[in-house]
Amino acid sequence: AQSVTQLGSHVSVSEGALVLLRCNYSSSVPPYLFWYVQYPNQGLQLLLKYTSAATLVKGINGFEAEFKKSETSFHLTKPSAHMSDAAEYFCAVAGAQKLVFGQGTRLTINP
Amino acid sequence: DAGVIQSPRHEVTEMGQEVTLRCKPISGHNSLFWYRQTMMRGLELLIYFNNNVPIDDSGMPEDRFSAKMPNASFSTLKIQPSEPRDSAVYFCASSPGTGEETQYFGPGTRLLVL
Repeated sequence: AQSVTQLGSHVSVSEGALVLLRCNYSSSVPPYLFWYVQYPNQGLQLLLKYTSAATLVKGINGFEAEFKKSETSFHLTKPSAHMSDAAEYFCAVAGAQKLVFGQGTRLTINP
Repeated sequence: DAGVIQSPRHEVTEMGQEVTLRCKPISGHNSLFWYRQTMMRGLELLIYFNNNVPIDDSGMPEDRFSAKMPNASFSTLKIQPSEPRDSAVYFCASSPGTGEETQYFGPGTRLLVL
């Protein structure tokens, strides 16, 4: 069965610093992978998705993620954090007609 | 495009009362999902429909929970009777084809059971 593990339930970075949110997946077939963002009191919003085309996927708000099959990883990065990036981030893998979500990583940005 | 619409946005009720949450998916989407989010358990998939047919309800906590999708543009999640431990944010999401495609989430219904 497909699953994802997000490493670190809480990540804190300074404004302008690199953002790195980690996600490892388990899948018996070539996976479709997603990153979603949830701002306070809102629903989840798609940041980006990988569907076996380019391994480096660019999303909204300057985020990108790289699919690494050898490491079964799909880490999310942004070169320079902005205060508006403070939110919860979810990694998900597709399987069995649904998405399986990780537990989420709360990103805090320090001024 | 109005997106996924959920109502009510907030609901406060007393233990034992019936609660009905409503969802209107994006027009043309074939799959609909109900999720529950709490601090303790995170995001949980309760049930999902494809072409108005329930496909997997294994996430429904117990018989007090029921969901229906009478047509392609409307779904309900009902809790009867409600209990304080049902307090959570309930999200509805829809996707164009199967659930393995991008899911589009509604704003959620924040439920508080006293």
